[in-house]
Amino acid sequence: DAGVTQSPTHLIKTRGQQVTLRCSPKSGHDTVSWYQQALGQGPQFIFQYYEEEERQRGNFPDRFSGHQFPNYSSELNVNALLLGDSALYLCASSPRIGGALNEQFFGPGTRLTVL
Amino acid sequence: GQNIDQPTEMTATEGAIVQINCTYQTSGFNGLFWYQQHAGEAPTFLSYNVLDGLEEKGRFSSFLSRSKGYSYLLLKELQMKDSASYLCAVSGGDSSYKLIFGSGTRLLVRP
Repeated sequence: DAGVTQSPTHLIKTRGQQVTLRCSPKSGHDTVSWYQQALGQGPQFIFQYYEEEERQRGNFPDRFSGHQFPNYSSELNVNALLLGDSALYLCASSPRIGGALNEQFFGPGTRLTVL
Repeated sequence: GQNIDQPTEMTATEGAIVQINCTYQTSGFNGLFWYQQHAGEAPTFLSYNVLDGLEEKGRFSSFLSRSKGYSYLLLKELQMKDSASYLCAVSGGDSSYKLIFGSGTRLLVRP
């Protein structure tokens, strides 16, 4: 059973460019959340997708946008890249259950460097 | 506001016991998670607490006191491979169950 997969592993961009990161959730999971993790910090919630819609959003500007496809995979797009966008971008998937436990499984991440 | 505090760094000796504390103030609470993260890798799930008390899983135990907004992760019989960052995260009170993370505690295990 494949876990959460992300591509690419590493990416180098320059300021002002646009980037698209991709995530495939764990089998059986239909909810995808994206997090940004700066060096030495904990992950910060960007947004969550369920049923192809953005359900929740963290404190990130509109330059950060996303999409979820019918097969539950997801993309994170960042426009007009800034140096401060350099970080590890983590995708986490979870099953949409009604209980209190909603363990999120993390992918290996995409390391984005903005020069 | 939302705030999760944990020590930045800790050092312990192989074979010893270490306790990593976490205090939190969040607008909602659906449970507290501990994750382990080795450098350059994804966080991996260690434990989950939603009720007060101690949850034990092998060498790892986690404790929660909701009234005090406090949790700790206890690691026993430390091994060199336990050197990693340990992330405390609270599942928020909204329908997304999004995780609010602390900055992590870097644990160094020495021989």
